[in-house]
Formats: sequence, C-alpha cells, structure tokens
Amino acid sequence: DGGITQSPKYLFRKEGQNVTLSCEQNLNHDAMYWYRQDPGQGLRLIYYSQIVNDFQKGDIAEGYSVSREKKESFPLTVTSAQKNPTAFYLCAIRSRARETEAFFGQGTRLTVV
Amino acid sequence: GENVEQHPSTLSVQEGDSAVIKCTYSDSASNYFPWYKQELGKRPQLIIDIRSNVGEKKDQRIAVTLNKTAKHFSLHITETQPEDSAVYFCAASSNSGYSTLTFGKGTMLLVSP
Repeated sequence: DGGITQSPKYLFRKEGQNVTLSCEQNLNHDAMYWYRQDPGQGLRLIYYSQIVNDFQKGDIAEGYSVSREKKESFPLTVTSAQKNPTAFYLCAIRSRARETEAFFGQGTRLTVV
Repeated sequence: GENVEQHPSTLSVQEGDSAVIKCTYSDSASNYFPWYKQELGKRPQLIIDIRSNVGEKKDQRIAVTLNKTAKHFSLHITETQPEDSAVYFCAASSNSGYSTLTFGKGTMLLVSP
C-alpha cells in the first residue's frame, strides 16, 4: 500500500449513525489529509493535520470530525449531521516540506443504506 | 484560499493523438503544481509535477508547462495509448501558512484504439 493504509474499503451506514474511517501510515510523514470525492467534483478537502494534536478544517468540514492522537493515525468520523455522506473518501499523507507530492490511500467507499 | 479551474472535463482522442489538459489557479503564492492520474476505483497517483522555478518539465510522453504570470499550467500527453484512459487531476499548493493541495475537478480522458 505504499506506506498508507485505509480501512475498510467499503462501508455501509444506516441513517443517523456515526461511522469512523481509518487511515494509518508508516512513512513518518507529518501531514495527513482527508478528501472527499464525488463524481464531477474532484477532490475536496475535509480536514488536515500538520502535527500531532492539531488539525484544521478544510473546505467541507461540516458533519465530520477527526483526531490526531498519534503521528501514524488520522481517523475520520462521519457524523449523523453530514446529510449526504455517500462518497469515496481518500486519505493522503505528505512530507512537511511544502513542495512535495501527496501519497493517497486506497480509499473507502461509504454508502448510506 | 486557492481556487483551481480545470478544462476540459472530458476529452476523447484517437490512439496516437496528443492530449492537452489546462488548469488555472488564483493564488499567486502557489509554487508547486502536481498532476495525478486516477484509474477507475483506484487511488490517485502522481504522474508529474512542476515547481515554480521552472517553466517546463518532461518525462517521456508526458510534459507539463507553467506560466506563472498568467497563472496557468498544462499537461501534455503525446502518442496517447488506450492505457492512458483515466481521470487526470491538476493541483496547486501554496508555500504560505498551512500548505494544502487544492485540486481541479478532473478531466476524464478516453483514448480510443
């Protein structure tokens, strides 16, 4: 997986439930990101974190929450407040150096049933 | 914040033709411009990137050009092959504050044999 692992690959959520998506990395990168992908919408930033115990809202943070208790882990919780959660969620990591590429996990496809 | 516009949204070419995808960005502080290729159901992967201190970069059949004055950059694929069919995303990253990657909405490239 190139040092970044997302799980599960597929996730089904009932209306009103919170669900948590996992993102783990072993490349010792400081920065971690969550993106949401919808058809025709590109990749939209939900949350990001540059260091442990600190994170920032992205463009579409409403209805989501994150934590960064360990450098290796950046879980995303999709809460019941997110009205349209069905999407493909991608976690990415990046070195703290600014002019560097982001590496993506394999993604989690979340479906509300 | 940064805004990245990408055109066209879809592009169909014959095998062997060239393909060009164009992006514009809004933040003059942006200085790193990667291009990602995403095959159906898979993660985006970096294919080429360019930094603001150069105007062009080439890697075999792929090239990227950057015009900082006009704030636009382009991806050029020559001698296209069916395996080039995918969604391509451009992105821009600023060197100020918290550095995030802002993505365009993507271009679906279809190469017909």
